[in-house]
Amino acid sequence: GENVGLHLPTLSVQEGDNSIINCAYSNSASDYFIWYKQESGKGPQFIIDIRSNMDKRQGQRVTVLLNKTVKHLSLQIAATQPGDSAVYFCAESYFGNEKLTFGTGTRLTIIP
Amino acid sequence: EAGVTQFPSHSVIEKGQTVTLRCDPISGHDNLYWYRRVMGKEIKFLLHFVKESKQDESGMPNNRFLAERTGGTYSTLKVQPAELEDSGVYFCASSQDRGGEKLFFGSGTQLSVL
Repeated sequence: GENVGLHLPTLSVQEGDNSIINCAYSNSASDYFIWYKQESGKGPQFIIDIRSNMDKRQGQRVTVLLNKTVKHLSLQIAATQPGDSAVYFCAESYFGNEKLTFGTGTRLTIIP
Repeated sequence: EAGVTQFPSHSVIEKGQTVTLRCDPISGHDNLYWYRRVMGKEIKFLLHFVKESKQDESGMPNNRFLAERTGGTYSTLKVQPAELEDSGVYFCASSQDRGGEKLFFGSGTQLSVL
């Protein structure tokens, strides 16, 4: 079946360094992609999204890159801070489909 | 503005018992979704309400799960009878717009079936 997955389940990064979290998807019909951050005891929180007509989108300290050729999505976090420690999920959907398909998540740990 | 609230935050029940989870979406959000995350796995869609109508319930695992949204405000998700594999975190989300965009999630209900 279609699935959205992550290459690495855990990632540790030194505070101040940049981090990159990767995500692979297999549904070529997907045209909308989102990154969520989930902190302990909280629900997923929207970080940034991107549509399939774009290959890059920037937010505050975050950048999402989309490579439709290889069905790959990444989240770059610049100058990581302790508050960035969380589980990050990618999710995808397509026009006309109301539901999101999530990946299993990557746990990012920022080392002080 | 209050966010999406879920109650209870934790529930521990025995196999065969009944549990009802509640979700209060953000005021004015017609779209309400239920998702769940079973231990170590991805977050999976359960169903989607538009106001009081079930738009898509394709993710509901079986007929032991019943979701309602009477009056188009809060929603309940009942599991009866609960089984061990129902353990996980149940998330509710709401949005103003359709298409899966800009979902606001609640903190979830951690359900443990023993």
